[in-house]
Amino acid sequence: GAVVSQHPSWVICKSGTSVKIECRSLDFQATTMFWYRQFPKQSLMLMATSNEGSKATYEQGVEKDKFLINHASLTLSTLTVTSAHPEDSSFYICSGRTGRKEAFFGQGTRLTVV
Amino acid sequence: QKEVEQDPGPLSVPEGAIVSLNCTYSNSAFQYFMWYRQYSRKGPELLMYTYSSGNKEDGRFTAQVDKSSKYISLFIRDSQPSDSATYLCAMSAQNQGGKLIFGQGTELSVKP
Repeated sequence: GAVVSQHPSWVICKSGTSVKIECRSLDFQATTMFWYRQFPKQSLMLMATSNEGSKATYEQGVEKDKFLINHASLTLSTLTVTSAHPEDSSFYICSGRTGRKEAFFGQGTRLTVV
Repeated sequence: QKEVEQDPGPLSVPEGAIVSLNCTYSNSAFQYFMWYRQYSRKGPELLMYTYSSGNKEDGRFTAQVDKSSKYISLFIRDSQPSDSATYLCAMSAQNQGGKLIFGQGTELSVKP
């Protein structure tokens, strides 16, 4: 299957700082990438859909000014958690969609805000 | 009612057993059906992908889609302890921009 690389795999930051998470499709071009958040023992919650070269579409209840998404190229999308607070601590996962409509996921990033 | 329903389990089986995982859905527009395996603290791994109805087999895994009943299944033959993980069904429609709708996930434990 296709490979999506997500970095970092885990990060600890101080409250009030910003954190950037990168998501790269290594062997395919992802015109659409998705960002999810997952709480323990729960399914994935879609945060936003990003299309290359255009603004991201955020799901209801997701603060676009807090979770900045940039999809600068067909192989790279970034999620920046701005002014992070402890309640932002979670597991964040990206996925890229191929032309065959399959979706492949990154390894996930565990964010802890202290 | 959720768009996709999946029994969260947990499901515990002995090694070598046949495992059956199921999801039901309500949106008849869904055309793309996927099964993912997720180990703890890892991203989901695509196991099976099916377009529209029918069966698909890959090694010990078989995926079935019955659009008339709005029901999909994943069968795991000769289950192994390494199959212990959470299994997520996911589906999408043609006109939803690729947005996946996930089931709640079923936690599977295969005991040696």
